[in-house]
Amino acid sequence: QKEVEQDPGPLSVPEGAIVSLNCTYSNSAFQYFMWYRQYSRKGPELLMYTYSSGNKEDGRFTAQVDKSSKYISLFIRDSQPSDSATYLCAMSAEGAGNMLTFGGGTRLMVKP
Amino acid sequence: GAVVSQHPSWVICKSGTSVKIECRSLDFQATTMFWYRQFPKQSLMLMATSNEGSKATYEQGVEKDKFLINHASLTLSTLTVTSAHPEDSSFYICSAVVGWAGSGRPYLYNEQFFGPGTRLTVL
Repeated sequence: QKEVEQDPGPLSVPEGAIVSLNCTYSNSAFQYFMWYRQYSRKGPELLMYTYSSGNKEDGRFTAQVDKSSKYISLFIRDSQPSDSATYLCAMSAEGAGNMLTFGGGTRLMVKP
Repeated sequence: GAVVSQHPSWVICKSGTSVKIECRSLDFQATTMFWYRQFPKQSLMLMATSNEGSKATYEQGVEKDKFLINHASLTLSTLTVTSAHPEDSSFYICSAVVGWAGSGRPYLYNEQFFGPGTRLTVL
């Protein structure tokens, strides 16, 4: 069983839809939770960063962390074709020496 | 700020040759850099952790004699794929953690900045 599980998709939605992306994990030591966006043939870029449980909002993006359920989510409101990319969740434990554990990535396609 | 570059962006080589990939932090000093490998439609697989001035730490299953990593300065790490074979064809991505960036925004704990990747094709 992988430490971090993520539905690979692809997830296809119409423009303007609300998108929900999710990851589950097994390591209760994870404290830092991130979402990266990766366009085709490009390196990942950090989208959202959350420490411990709770919600964080940044424009159209909302990240949620539920440590009790070991479940994190990324919501995208009013999705745009430019949001079409692969979304990777990543996690880290305290004292892990900057190392991240990545989920497998979910490919999102937003159709105009 | 916090820009990471990689060179080359793509390379095609013959089987048996060696290929060097450079990873540079352009506007900050990176005490730690990571090297990842990514197959099509798959996630990032950590190959090794590179700390400036010391030997790289390789993940289980990664051949250190085949994938040579050198982190000679705070802004440069190199990955050399020695005696490359077709099965080494992949997308290689580096990332860097900010050690010191002078003035500017505070960086997040564990925040990694990724390079644009290098696509290696071995014929």
